[in-house]
Amino acid sequence: DADVTQTPRNRITKTGKRIMLECSQTKGHDRMYWYRQDPGLGLQLIYYSFDVKDINKGEISDGYSVSRQAQAKFSLSLESAIPNQTALYFCATSEGSYNEQFFGPGTRLTVL
Amino acid sequence: GQNIDQPTEMTATEGAIVQINCTYQTSGFNGLFWYQQHAGEAPTFLSYNVLDGLEEKGRFSSFLSRSKGYSYLLLKELQMKDSASYLCAAHYNTNAGKSTFGDGTTLTVKP
Repeated sequence: DADVTQTPRNRITKTGKRIMLECSQTKGHDRMYWYRQDPGLGLQLIYYSFDVKDINKGEISDGYSVSRQAQAKFSLSLESAIPNQTALYFCATSEGSYNEQFFGPGTRLTVL
Repeated sequence: GQNIDQPTEMTATEGAIVQINCTYQTSGFNGLFWYQQHAGEAPTFLSYNVLDGLEEKGRFSSFLSRSKGYSYLLLKELQMKDSASYLCAAHYNTNAGKSTFGDGTTLTVKP
């Protein structure tokens, strides 16, 4: 079984809809991250969490919110989706700051 | 800011050697990660350099010069499966322990 899983893997929605992307991990890591990736570009950090009680905004948090339900679960919500939020979204975990990140398989989101 | 610069695209021939460069700002710098990402897939970790010098892992090596704000990923004996995007990510102690990613270098390996 994969260590970091994301659901759904693909989602098509309409402008104005609320969307939740979910991430679960079995690696036992405290640190979890949400990134978005646009075609031909790198990873932009949306939100990150260093433990269940610690949530922080990343570079592009506007229009997004998150919830850390447990050490193993970190959800990303788009309260009112807009077309320029169409992107590939990745969840990642790491053991610590100086450790590599492990990425989930990604969620491809299309907002019409 | 902590701009990370790397070439957008590179092309090389199967069996050859290719070097992918990455430059970053040195203030508060801790270390440099390299990740490989095949199209439509998740990035996977390749290397992490903290000290100056070259670290070798099989066909892949990574080099770091802290004073110059420069790193490179060296891929030897290129194979078709090495066609992918290569992301460098700089880790700063002034950035709450987060890494800043470059836009990636798309490498195409041709027969």
